[in-house]
Amino acid sequence: AQSVTQLDSQVPVFEEAPVELRCNYSSSVSVYLFWYVQYPNQGLQLLLKYLSGSTLVKGINGFEAEFNKSQTSFHLRKPSVHISDTAEYFCAVSEGYGGSQGNLIFGKGTKLSVKP
Amino acid sequence: GAVVSQHPSRVICKSGTSVKIECRSLDFQATTMFWYRQFPKQSLMLMATSNEGSKATYEQGVEKDKFLINHASLTLSTLTVTSAHPEDSSFYICSARIQYTGELFFGEGSRLTVL
Repeated sequence: AQSVTQLDSQVPVFEEAPVELRCNYSSSVSVYLFWYVQYPNQGLQLLLKYLSGSTLVKGINGFEAEFNKSQTSFHLRKPSVHISDTAEYFCAVSEGYGGSQGNLIFGKGTKLSVKP
Repeated sequence: GAVVSQHPSRVICKSGTSVKIECRSLDFQATTMFWYRQFPKQSLMLMATSNEGSKATYEQGVEKDKFLINHASLTLSTLTVTSAHPEDSSFYICSARIQYTGELFFGEGSRLTVL
C-alpha cells in the first residue's frame, strides 16, 4: 500500500531564505509524485510533478523537487521564499498505470509560514 | 491548464437538510472524478471515485447513503450531503481526470457549514 509522510507539519522561515519541505513515500510499484499548494479556503494548485525522466523537476513559482528513488524521497525546495509563498503544501503519490494517474494519496501537509 | 469549477464555494445550511455540490470540468471531458474531504488543518481524504454513467466507488468508512454521488455526464459530477449534521461540516474538494492524458485537476473547493 502506498503512503506519504511529510516530516514537518510547520516550517517557519524568513523572507528570502531558502526552504526545503520534506516528503517520503512508500510504494511497491512505480509511482508518480506531486507537490500541490493550497492557499486558505482554496482548492489545490499543482506546483510540479515527477512522472519519469530527469529526477530534478522544476515547477511554478520558482519551486523545484528532486526524486530520489533510493531514499524514497521527493523533497520540495526554493532558494529564496517570498511572503506570498505562505500556504499549505501537500506531497502526493499516485501509482501509474499506462501513463494515467491513479488515485492520489496525500501527505498530511506542511504549513509554510514566511515572515518578513 | 484545464479548469475544474465547484459550486457553491460556500454553503450554510440547517441540520437535517440536504446540500448539493457540483463539480464541472469546463474545458475537457472527465470520465472519472474524485471527491475529497478535508478537515481543518488536515490532509485531503478520498471519499469516493465517480465514474461517468456508473455507480461511484466509495472508500471504506464513507456512508454511501449519506454522501450521494452522481456523474451523469462527462463534465459534471455532483455530491449530495443528505440529512446534513454539524459533523458533516467540512471542506469538500473535487478533482477531474482528463480522459486521454490521465492528469488530474482540482476544483476550488466547497466549504459546508451545518448549523
